Amino acid sequence: RKEVEQDPGPFNVPEGATVAFNCTYSNSASQSFFWYRQDCRKEPKLLMSVYSSGNEDGRFTAQLNRASQYISLLIRDSKLSDSATYLCVVSDYKLSFGAGTTVTVRA
Amino acid sequence: DTGVSQDPRHKITKRGQNVTFRCDPISEHNRLYWYRQTLGQGPEFLTYFQNEAQLEKSRLLSDRFSAERPKGSFSTLEIQRTEQGDSAMYLCASSAGTNSIGELFFGEGSRLTVL
Repeated sequence: RKEVEQDPGPFNVPEGATVAFNCTYSNSASQSFFWYRQDCRKEPKLLMSVYSSGNEDGRFTAQLNRASQYISLLIRDSKLSDSATYLCVVSDYKLSFGAGTTVTVRA
Repeated sequence: DTGVSQDPRHKITKRGQNVTFRCDPISEHNRLYWYRQTLGQGPEFLTYFQNEAQLEKSRLLSDRFSAERPKGSFSTLEIQRTEQGDSAMYLCASSAGTNSIGELFFGEGSRLTVL
């Protein structure tokens, strides 16, 4: 079983739409949780950390459910520039990445 | 540029040859990680260093792979007797801190193609 599993998508949405997707993780001892963004043929970059109480960063909202071991990301008012692969990440002493969820925002 | 730098950016080699990649982390970061990424997959952990000590090595890493971080600064990843399955993007990342992991800062990667 993979440590982090994500719906690969792709999610193809129009500008202005809301898109949401989840990931699940297997290690209940995981301490920290993140969403990273990776543009095509570029390196991953931190989008946001995920806290137990849930947190927002502009149009992005992340939720963590430790009991069910899943993490979610919601993007409101999608922009063309949000088109990317979103990597769900959990950590103990290292970061373990999911395979990514591809989002394409169309005009 | 004070980010993570990797060299070379691209390497094409024949099966059976040895290759070496170099990573220069952000100078004040004491942790350094190597990951491998293939198309359609997320980065896969290979190994990490805290200062000069290699603290963890993935079970997926065969004996043909070796990494060093002398003096706790730059790191090298060597692959001996390369195989076509080694073709991938090799990503280096660094972070600060000693206990929990903060943000990882990735380099642009070294893309390896084994013919």
